[in-house]
Amino acid sequence: GAVVSQHPSWVICKSGTSVKIECRSLDFQATTMFWYRQFPKQSLMLMATSNEGSKATYEQGVEKDKFLINHASLTLSTLTVTSAHPEDSSFYICSARGGAGGYNEQFFGPGTRLTVL
Amino acid sequence: DAKTTQPPSMDCAEGRAANLPCNHSTISGNEYVYWYRQIHSQGPQYIIHGLKNNETNEMASLIITEDRKSSTLILPHATLRDTAVYYCIVRVDPALTGGGNKLTFGTGTQLKVEL
Repeated sequence: GAVVSQHPSWVICKSGTSVKIECRSLDFQATTMFWYRQFPKQSLMLMATSNEGSKATYEQGVEKDKFLINHASLTLSTLTVTSAHPEDSSFYICSARGGAGGYNEQFFGPGTRLTVL
Repeated sequence: DAKTTQPPSMDCAEGRAANLPCNHSTISGNEYVYWYRQIHSQGPQYIIHGLKNNETNEMASLIITEDRKSSTLILPHATLRDTAVYYCIVRVDPALTGGGNKLTFGTGTQLKVEL
């Protein structure tokens, strides 16, 4: 199956700093990538959908200026949490989907644990 | 996408079959039933999906009732490593939508496999 990686797997940062999380599709070209957030003991919540080369589409209630998403290539999307605060501490998970001739299913990365002090 | 209902938790003895039910009474004709699982602190893992026929792969079997209003995921010989939250999701075939439609995760079933 398709492999999706995330980096870093965990990060601790101070309040007010920005954190960048990378999501890579390792063996396929991902025309669409999805970013999810999961708080403890809760389910995954979709934050945004990004298509390569275009602006991300954010779900209702997700601040686009706080969670910057860049999908500049077919194998890489980044999520930057700007001016992070303790309430942003969460498990961030990306998934990727291939385009024509590729996969129509979503394949998930292993997640990134963000802790904001 | 149709809403699903799953029991919040289930226990299963190692080596026995784990049968996880899912109700999706409002499913539409072009909607598939998907199952994912999430082991603690990991990303979700695709298990299986089906439309109306029963499906089997190396991980599990999916039994869908004739009226398609419910389904059961079967792990034939559960192991401790199958302890996870199992999500039943109903969605339109991504091949029809270019894969862009969302995966909406409910609360799932926490399966605990014990010795």
